Amino acid sequence: AQSVAQPEDQVNVAEGNPLTVKCTYSVSGNPYLFWYVQYPNRGLQFLLKYITGDNLVKGSYGFEAEFNKSQTSFHLKKPSALVSDSALYFCAVRPLGSSASKIIFGSGTRLSIRP
Amino acid sequence: EAGVAQSPRYKIIEKRQSVAFWCNPISGHATLYWYQQILGQGPKLLIQFQNNGVVDDSQLPKDRFSAERLKGVDSTLKIQPAKLEDSAVYLCASSEGGGSPLHFGNGTRLTVT
Repeated sequence: AQSVAQPEDQVNVAEGNPLTVKCTYSVSGNPYLFWYVQYPNRGLQFLLKYITGDNLVKGSYGFEAEFNKSQTSFHLKKPSALVSDSALYFCAVRPLGSSASKIIFGSGTRLSIRP
Repeated sequence: EAGVAQSPRYKIIEKRQSVAFWCNPISGHATLYWYQQILGQGPKLLIQFQNNGVVDDSQLPKDRFSAERLKGVDSTLKIQPAKLEDSAVYLCASSEGGGSPLHFGNGTRLTVT
């Protein structure tokens, strides 16, 4: 069965410092991997995705994520955090090759950037 | 392009009452999803449609929840009768399928008292 784990409920970072939000996954075969961000009282917004190719994926708002097949991880990163990055972040996974497969979301990580 | 539209934004009902949510996906998106997001948790898939057919409803509590997507465009999700534990945000999303990302609406926040 496929699953996604976000081991940290909350990540606190000072503005201007690099940030990492962790995600590990379990899926049969190769995965589609996604990161979404959720602001208060809003739906989830797509940040970036990995399907195939370069392990480092760049997305919206200066975020990037690194796919590591051996560690089954897809950590979200940003070189320099902004206060406006404070939000709830979700990692999601779906097995490659089937649009009918279920997309599973992690439990979320609350990112707090202090000025 | 217009995003995913959901209504209402908020709904408060008493337990054992019924409620319905509406979703209009992005034009041309064949796949439509309903997710339940309980406070502090990630979204949980309730049902997935491909056009007007159900692809996955394995986590839909079918004794009280129902959903339809007539004509393969907009969709309604109904709860009857509601329980206290149904208090959550109900998110609708659509996608083109394959590796395309999901586009979410702003959700309906349901409070059952």
